[in-house]
Amino acid sequence: DSGVTQTPKHLITATGQRVTLRCSPRSGDLSVYWYQQSLDQGLQFLIQYYNGEERAKGNILERFSAQQFPDLHSELNLSSLELGDSALYFCASSGGRGAYNEQFFGPGTRLTVL
Amino acid sequence: GQNIDQPTEMTATEGAIVQINCTYQTSGFNGLFWYQQHAGEAPTFLSYNVLDGLEEKGRFSSFLSRSKGYSYLLLKELQMKDSASYLCAGQQGANNLFFGTGTRLTVIP
Repeated sequence: DSGVTQTPKHLITATGQRVTLRCSPRSGDLSVYWYQQSLDQGLQFLIQYYNGEERAKGNILERFSAQQFPDLHSELNLSSLELGDSALYFCASSGGRGAYNEQFFGPGTRLTVL
Repeated sequence: GQNIDQPTEMTATEGAIVQINCTYQTSGFNGLFWYQQHAGEAPTFLSYNVLDGLEEKGRFSSFLSRSKGYSYLLLKELQMKDSASYLCAGQQGANNLFFGTGTRLTVIP
């Protein structure tokens, strides 16, 4: 157990809909990262937040947005969903307390768009 | 830009040694991570290299050559439970990780 929690575990929805994925980082970690993992692709970095502020942006679509709240939990909002958005979405956290500042990953949310 | 290359699949025999190679091109490179990921599960941290050389950690070792943009993960005394994907990731800047597509390792009896 990494200490990072994500909800929901599974999500099934239809094209055109909007969903929100939630992540709670490890206690004390200030950074939260979001990744997308499709069936035939590696982990694609989407976005990073640090203590409530956006820190870095990767391959995140304009239809996607995220935020980090004062209690440090984060939400990833996916809108106008398309079939190709079906993927595993991972959240990770880090805070410099690990030996190498490694990222600790949550169990992921499996999104299926029908 | 960023680019990570590693073999897509490898097969090895239980009890043997396997080396998984990774080449990278990452701007602002700060270090190289290896993660293990079982199917449908979260990646878990294996190793980190920031300086050239070999880091040994039990059955797993990782090597880095910054001048060559090259790393490898060495797994010794393979066990069936080592069947998983192994992800090479370049650290860019302070924290960001840029992952390769991963190497799916199958350990056979």
